[in-house]
Amino acid sequence: AQSVTQPDIHITVSEGASLELRCNYSYGATPYLFWYVQSPGQGLQLLLKYFSGDTLVQGIKGFEAEFKRSQSSFNLRKPSVHWSDAAEYFCAVGTGNQFYFGTGTSLTVIP
Amino acid sequence: DARVTQTPRHKVTEMGQEVTMRCQPILGHNTVFWYRQTMMQGLELLAYFRNRAPLDDSGMPKDRFSAEMPDATLATLKIQPSEPRDSAVYFCASGLVNAFWEQFFGPGTRLTVL
Repeated sequence: AQSVTQPDIHITVSEGASLELRCNYSYGATPYLFWYVQSPGQGLQLLLKYFSGDTLVQGIKGFEAEFKRSQSSFNLRKPSVHWSDAAEYFCAVGTGNQFYFGTGTSLTVIP
Repeated sequence: DARVTQTPRHKVTEMGQEVTMRCQPILGHNTVFWYRQTMMQGLELLAYFRNRAPLDDSGMPKDRFSAEMPDATLATLKIQPSEPRDSAVYFCASGLVNAFWEQFFGPGTRLTVL
């Protein structure tokens, strides 16, 4: 069965430090891949997406993600984290007729 | 600034009551999704529509939940009768058929069933 895994439930980083959030998926073909962010009490906002082509995709708010087929991964990165980046981050996978969210990674940013 | 809107934003009701949540998708979007978010289960896809037709509602408890799209500008999710275990945040999202699952989310309806 298809699935998406975010192995880190919670991550704490210092403001200005780099960030990498992990996402792995299980699917036979290349799925459509997404990262969403959710601030407390808010809906989900799309950060970036991968459908095909260049495996390094740029998103909003300075985020990027790299699709690695060999590792079935789509990790989210940011070179320098800001305090306003503290939120819940969800990786998501879409296939032919199914869509799955990961369980999310909660990001805390310390001064 | 096109956005998905949801009403009500908060709903407190008593067990056994009917609850109706409404969603207005972004104008021109032809897919609509309903999700439920809880601490225990995370985000669950309840149902989705394409061009107002239900494509998949396998994630929805059929005995008490129903989802409809009376027209292209309104989607509804109804719970009857409601139970305390239905307490959650319900999100609506919309997108385009040819956009490969890309979705834009509304702010959610926080439901509390006492």
